[in-house]
Amino acid sequence: DAKTTQPPSMDCAEGRAANLPCNHSTISGNEYVYWYRQIHSQGPQYIIHGLKNNETNEMASLIITEDRKSSTLILPHATLRDTAVYYCIVRSRLKGGGNKLTFGTGTQLKVEL
Amino acid sequence: EPEVTQTPSHQVTQMGQEVILRCVPISNHLYFYWYRQILGQKVEFLVSFYNNEISEKSEIFDDQFSVERPDGSNFTLKIRSTKLEDSAMYFCASSDRLSNQPQHFGDGTRLSIL
Repeated sequence: DAKTTQPPSMDCAEGRAANLPCNHSTISGNEYVYWYRQIHSQGPQYIIHGLKNNETNEMASLIITEDRKSSTLILPHATLRDTAVYYCIVRSRLKGGGNKLTFGTGTQLKVEL
Repeated sequence: EPEVTQTPSHQVTQMGQEVILRCVPISNHLYFYWYRQILGQKVEFLVSFYNNEISEKSEIFDDQFSVERPDGSNFTLKIRSTKLEDSAMYFCASSDRLSNQPQHFGDGTRLSIL
């Protein structure tokens, strides 16, 4: 599995963009980058994923560098409800198409007034 | 939006007892998973299940654990003889057949072993 490195914590002012970095320098060509978040002890919530192109959905944008060795999750207008632990995960492939997710310690994002 | 549901939200069990945790995955999903998270620790993969059989399991998933899809909607995790160290949040997840599709998680069952 490609390993990921994230800062342990970040702060962001409400209404500003939150930019969460992730390094995955050992990623292989067919591995996707997934972002999840976990609010308190709730179940991990899927945010976005990508292979090599930048992606955007209603929650966030994902910017992947051209060499794919790092990525940034962008929450364009962070709110207090975005306070959570954010996980960057490079997906492992299993036989048959299923895959397990290997969670690290993530980045604790704190959004403040 | 369809979601994964888990019951019960909290289960308290005496050590040595059997416990069954239940999950209803998203209806058209074909891959099913269990993860656990001990308080203050990382989310850990336990097992994946596809086509009525286990496709991968971790070292944690020993002979005390089993999974089953007893009907077309439920997916269960059984722990035969619970230990104190089984106390954790247990999360069920499911995903579509396409290999790059994300897993969607339920809100978990908090298992407390006394």
